[in-house]
Amino acid sequence: AQKITQTQPGMFVQEKEAVTLDCTYDTSDPSYGLFWYKQPSSGEMIFLIYQGSYDQQNATEGRYSLNFQKARKSANLVISASQLGDSAMYFCAMREGGRGGSEKLVFGKGTKLTVNP
Amino acid sequence: DGGITQSPKYLFRKEGQNVTLSCEQNLNHDAMYWYRQDPGQGLRLIYYSQIVNDFQKGDIAEGYSVSREKKESFPLTVTSAQKNPTAFYLCASSKGQGASSPLHFGNGTRLTVT
Repeated sequence: AQKITQTQPGMFVQEKEAVTLDCTYDTSDPSYGLFWYKQPSSGEMIFLIYQGSYDQQNATEGRYSLNFQKARKSANLVISASQLGDSAMYFCAMREGGRGGSEKLVFGKGTKLTVNP
Repeated sequence: DGGITQSPKYLFRKEGQNVTLSCEQNLNHDAMYWYRQDPGQGLRLIYYSQIVNDFQKGDIAEGYSVSREKKESFPLTVTSAQKNPTAFYLCASSKGQGASSPLHFGNGTRLTVT
């Protein structure tokens, strides 16, 4: 069963506006971590932000924030004040933490974000 | 600066040949991983290793082999048994296995087999 779902193949946003990239997940493990990665056209995977399942507050890292709604099993990425350099693929990923941790980081299929000038 | 180095960036091979992709890290991470990415797709796990001299199959291990003789190195061999080897290959490492441990990635190797 697919554990990470990203329903937006592509998103467009105007420069300086905010954008939300959707991610829903599925797990029965009470302990898990959610991650967002950015992949520019050059190919490297850049770690952006992390949210733990027991964290009470939404994670923030600069212009990135994670809208974590545990009951809905969603972990949407919000990028504020979009910049042209934000144009890239964005991947949501999950790592289960029960029984000492999981070897796997499971990825969604990604959302391609295009920032227009 | 610490990081993960994958080489080469581009690799071309003829069908039927084995090819080895290099991955070296100086982050002192215990765990290392190989992922495959096809166009428009997410990443799929090929192999992973939690400690030296030990490794496990991921979701798509058929046609691939690995070794972990040193903590710093985790080379991936794409064998002739892999039916669709043309893809983008990403190596990663993590400090631990807990849910809060992110993976750190190399810049990838783009393999083309003709």
